[in-house]
Amino acid sequence: QVQLVESGGGVVQPGRSLRLSCAASGFTFSNYAMHWVRQAPGKGLDWVAFISYDGTNKYYGESIRGRFTISRDNSENTVHLQVISLRPEDTAIYYCVKDDNSGPGAFEIWGLGAMVTVSS
Amino acid sequence: QSALTQPASVSGSPGQSITISCTGTSSDLGHDDTVSWYQHRPGKAPRLMIYDVNNRPSGVSNRFSGSKSGNTASLTISGLQAEDEADYYCCSYTTTNTYVFGPGTKVSVL
Repeated sequence: QVQLVESGGGVVQPGRSLRLSCAASGFTFSNYAMHWVRQAPGKGLDWVAFISYDGTNKYYGESIRGRFTISRDNSENTVHLQVISLRPEDTAIYYCVKDDNSGPGAFEIWGLGAMVTVSS
Repeated sequence: QSALTQPASVSGSPGQSITISCTGTSSDLGHDDTVSWYQHRPGKAPRLMIYDVNNRPSGVSNRFSGSKSGNTASLTISGLQAEDEADYYCCSYTTTNTYVFGPGTKVSVL
């Protein structure tokens, strides 16, 4: 079955960097776009980033633009989110999400999420 | 602050129907039909319930239906059941190649 497993979360000091990874299985990874979506404690869902099936198109949420970088490795069936200059407001569960299409579509399958806590 | 607006909460008795509205602008909901709805229970991963306005993924009960008129989309849950208690989020693709979520609606079954 389709499975997305996030890793790389943890407690990080403000200003530091972090790399989240997502291992995908159960589908032809290279055919689908992928996303990262986050949820801060007690808050709603917040779309973070999109990458097209072949990695040529990348889009980012306005609140994180410039600090986050999404990438993918279709040979390893993985998608990554590199975050620099972390802020306390970046504290959230970060979900890896499979699109239902090769380009921007719906968030079809979600991972269980990786918790990132930004605190000194 | 969300670009889409939803009621904070909606409630109903078992067996009743409820509707959750989601209002946006011509730059998101009104632009095309890439609007979707997600169910989110505490401690669980969100689940896609409706995509492209009114399409249900495989495995989603036909008690869930979606519609859209202009800049407003709606999710209707008919035959409300206890298991439907959750937060529901609408989401839209926008003209600037971004996605926006609504703030979420808490559904309670009385």
